Amino acid sequence: EVQLVESGGGLVQPGRSLKLSCAASGFTFSNYYMAWVRQAPKKGLEWVATISTSGSRTYYPDSVKGRFTISRDNAKSSLYLQMNSLKSEDTATYYCARHELPGYKDYWGQGVMVTVSS
Amino acid sequence: DIVMTQTPSSQAVSAGEKVTMSCKSSQSLLYNENKKNYLAWYQQKPGQSPKLLIYWASTRESGVPDRFIGSGSGTDFTLTISSVQAEDLAVYYCQQYYNLWTFGGGTKLELK
Repeated sequence: EVQLVESGGGLVQPGRSLKLSCAASGFTFSNYYMAWVRQAPKKGLEWVATISTSGSRTYYPDSVKGRFTISRDNAKSSLYLQMNSLKSEDTATYYCARHELPGYKDYWGQGVMVTVSS
Repeated sequence: DIVMTQTPSSQAVSAGEKVTMSCKSSQSLLYNENKKNYLAWYQQKPGQSPKLLIYWASTRESGVPDRFIGSGSGTDFTLTISSVQAEDLAVYYCQQYYNLWTFGGGTKLELK
């Protein structure tokens, strides 16, 4: 059974950093692109980052480019999202998702909440 | 950037009713080389993570009931629920994967 379990969320002040993790199991992690998708409170879904199987290629929307970094450790079947210079508009539930090429997400984690507030 | 627009934003339905919802993209999602439309649909129930329903605009994910039907091509797409059940009350999102990845704003199905 495919499982994706996020961790690392919490309350953080504007301008500070936070790193999210996603532990994957039930599939060969190194064979799949992975992604982060977020959802602000009572809002829709927003794609945040995608990473290739080896980690050599990463993709971001303009809203987070230069502030967020996606990475992975295939030996640990883990995905990460380093978030720097956080803003109040980054407040959201962050989902880890398996990214079936060329881009639909067939499995999602339960999500982790990030609140950016002073 | 490709913009995805979903209508209506919310819809009140009764059990057993046929429901349709629309998703329009700002540019064509049809890739001429393989004749595939790069569009997916997701269902998100309250308090839950999104769930993949349909990809390639009309291919149902394994285990998805056949009352969920995806159709359309190019820039205009439709998700139809042939006979709505109580468990279908949720928000439905479309997502393009033709050029990077963007979601529509969602259509919320509510009980009439």
